[in-house]
Amino acid sequence: DQQVKQNSPSLSVQEGRISILNCDYTNSMFDYFLWYKKYPAEGPTFLISISSIKDKNEDGRFTVFLNKSAKHLSLHIVPSQPGDSAVYFCAATRWRGGKLIFGQGTELSVKP
Amino acid sequence: EAGVTQFPSHSVIEKGQTVTLRCDPISGHDNLYWYRRVMGKEIKFLLHFVKESKQDESGMPNNRFLAERTGGTYSTLKVQPAELEDSGVYFCASSQGSRGTTDTQYFGPGTRLTVL
Repeated sequence: DQQVKQNSPSLSVQEGRISILNCDYTNSMFDYFLWYKKYPAEGPTFLISISSIKDKNEDGRFTVFLNKSAKHLSLHIVPSQPGDSAVYFCAATRWRGGKLIFGQGTELSVKP
Repeated sequence: EAGVTQFPSHSVIEKGQTVTLRCDPISGHDNLYWYRRVMGKEIKFLLHFVKESKQDESGMPNNRFLAERTGGTYSTLKVQPAELEDSGVYFCASSQGSRGTTDTQYFGPGTRLTVL
């Protein structure tokens, strides 16, 4: 049972444009959501997070939006840079410090 | 500050053999997690230690997997005997715990296990 889904396995954008990565979840008990970025042969690197009591969190070029009623979150990267090319994983947890439930990942390619 | 380290980076074994993976968390982190990614799919939770105690082992696939964290520092994950479907990348993560100001999980580089 896939509780966190990233339906787009890949995304290609032009440098300088906006990248929008999407994530859907089914478990209404999830309280905290995270995005991780992963380069080949490396472990996932924490990028940004959002609590269920908020609908937006921003950190530099990265903004995460949460729509609880739709059980949907998205990661916006503006402007996109070639160094952002990586696999992005959405993750959710019922409590901060608990196990993370990951989506399948979206491979982002930012072309110069 | 050193990050999460894992050893070995790669392991190739034959079906039926035993393999032990090691994880050294960030110093001072009480929480230690094991995850696995199989065939490029999603990263799946295996288990969670708080210090030396198993907080949650709901993701352990079967009794061929044994995880330990003696003394609440490093952890080992033993697979015995290994099966073909155990192939994948095993990630370890750690987080500071209740004393810290954040519960962000920091991941190691992973151990790629190939069972032939």
